[in-house]
Amino acid sequence: DAGITQSPRHKVTETGTPVTLRCHQTENHRYMYWYRQDPGHGLRLIHYSYGVKDTDKGEVSDGYSVSRSKTEDFLLTLESATSSQTSVYFCAISASTPDTEAFFGQGTRLTVV
Amino acid sequence: GENVEQHPSTLSVQEGDSAVIKCTYSDSASNYFPWYKQELGKRPQLIIDIRSNVGEKKDQRIAVTLNKTAKHFSLHITETQPEDSAVYFCAAKGRLGNEKLTFGTGTRLTIIP
Repeated sequence: DAGITQSPRHKVTETGTPVTLRCHQTENHRYMYWYRQDPGHGLRLIHYSYGVKDTDKGEVSDGYSVSRSKTEDFLLTLESATSSQTSVYFCAISASTPDTEAFFGQGTRLTVV
Repeated sequence: GENVEQHPSTLSVQEGDSAVIKCTYSDSASNYFPWYKQELGKRPQLIIDIRSNVGEKKDQRIAVTLNKTAKHFSLHITETQPEDSAVYFCAAKGRLGNEKLTFGTGTRLTIIP
């Protein structure tokens, strides 16, 4: 498996609190992605990064922010968690050439109560 | 932005028969089309991919076809086995400068013994 780890793996948080999920890679890959997975919706892109400090929005970016201060870490922050953000979050990485495989982390199950 | 549609959402196939899953994409600039398999509780994993300069690719029982003119691509699984039961996702990725990886909504494939 590619060297990609997500933390935490599970989290329960209260509505209105900020939450940060971490994606860490040891592959030195350029691209990093955050997705959320919900039944019936597949994998929806939240934000992605194409280099240190270079990020762009995906299709469901409202309520989320990201930061990438170094190649190996991509952080996803829920500024004020809502119940609609209860989901499974996946991080993915891929190498510098655009047409290469993306590897996924193990996922983080987030529950907002 | 890119929009990927995937059909059917569920598919049941008798063991030994073939399964076909179809996807369409909207952005003619997309040039990389991977397929992922996700087993229950696991992360998505790549099973096959195709690039825009190729019309067909095969790997043992799995094949993918791409029609760039019609902007659709399909996954074909022959001689299906119980371990093929999973959720399958198609995806499309843009060229350099637009490396978003956009997924379809998934197909739950069930192989009936």
